[in-house]
Parts: sequence; C-alpha cells; structure tokens
Amino acid sequence: GAVVSQHPSRVICKSGTSVKIECRSLDFQATTMFWYRQFPKQSLMLMATSNEGSKATYEQGVEKDKFLINHASLTLSTLTVTSAHPEDSSFYICSATDGIYGYTFGSGTRLTVV
Amino acid sequence: AQSVTQLDSQVPVFEEAPVELRCNYSSSVSVYLFWYVQYPNQGLQLLLKYLSGSTLVESINGFEAEFNKSQTSFHLRKPSVHISDTAEYFCAVIGAGGTSYGKLTFGQGTILTVHP
Repeated sequence: GAVVSQHPSRVICKSGTSVKIECRSLDFQATTMFWYRQFPKQSLMLMATSNEGSKATYEQGVEKDKFLINHASLTLSTLTVTSAHPEDSSFYICSATDGIYGYTFGSGTRLTVV
Repeated sequence: AQSVTQLDSQVPVFEEAPVELRCNYSSSVSVYLFWYVQYPNQGLQLLLKYLSGSTLVESINGFEAEFNKSQTSFHLRKPSVHISDTAEYFCAVIGAGGTSYGKLTFGQGTILTVHP
C-alpha cells in the first residue's frame, strides 16, 4: 500500500531557530501534499496545500513566511518552521495523494520549542 | 464551504460491547466521506471511506459506516469492540467540487476508550 514517511518524529529546538520537517511518499508519486497542524485534544487544521513544482497555497491565517513549504519533487515536500517560538509547538502531520481517492498520512512530527 | 461535526468528544465503552461514533456533515456540493483512526503520537490511518455505490462500507477490522444523504450523516459502528480499538477517531469529508475540491475537512475527533 501507499506509504508516507515523515521525519523527524520528534524535535526540540531553541526559540529563534528554524526546523525542517520532511515528508516523503515512498512508493507512489504524490501530485499533491498537504500539511496539517494539530493542537492537543483538537482536530487537524489544514495549513497549506502544495503541488510539485509550484508555490504552496496557504489557508487563511497561516503565515507563509513563517511556514515555508517546498515541494521540489513528486516524492518530497518539506515544511520549514522559521524563527520558531514556543507558540509554534504542536504536532505537524503531512499527507500525500496521487489523486482524489487516496490520502496517505505521515506519522507526524512533535515539535517543541523551548 | 463544508464542515464536519462529531457529536461526541469521548465515548467510553466496555470490551465486547457495541459502539457508535456519530458524524454529521454539511456541504453545498457532493462529498466523499472518510473515517480515520489516530493512536497516541502517531499519524492518521484510513479506516474506511465512502466514494460512491453502496452506502454501507466496511473496514477489515470490523468497523462499518453508513452514508445517509438525507440525514447528512456517516456514523461509524462496531458490534463488538476490543481493547485495541482504544484510539481517537476522526470523520472527514472532501468536497467533490467548488472551492473545497480535494481538501479534507476534519471533525473534532472522538476519543474511544474501551475498558476491560
């Protein structure tokens, strides 16, 4: 079946530094990748949608300069949290699809900014 | 625009008892419907989905859900739960057209806790 690998699973960083999260589709080509953020005991909130080779489309209220998304190939998308602050601490999850019928999720990244 | 409402934030149940997790949605266009399961500190796993055809869909581990268009519902059921079913369950929809095309919208989640 379709597999999406997300790395790292956990990261702790100092306030003001940047953190990069990778999302890879291992056995299929992902035309579109999505990045979600999940606060404790809450649902997933879509942050942005990225298509290979084009700029990401951000949801309302998401700072594009803070959350940089790059989808350089059909198997890799990255989310960089720039100048991270404690309020950016959250669980970030990516998903990838090769079409509307299949959405495969990564295992998530727990970001803690201290 | 579309939205999903999961009516119960927490559902405690004893092992081998039946369970129903409720999900209602609203949308101005046709939708596809999904149930995902999330274990602690993990990503989401697809449990089952409704795209078209039979309104009753089943998963390999005994869950089933029925699409009811008139009631705009997609409730998840299992006749006999196991301890291992303890997890958080999310109902989600995708709009089949319009500005919501291709975007998953999630409900708030229901934490199912199965007690021995």
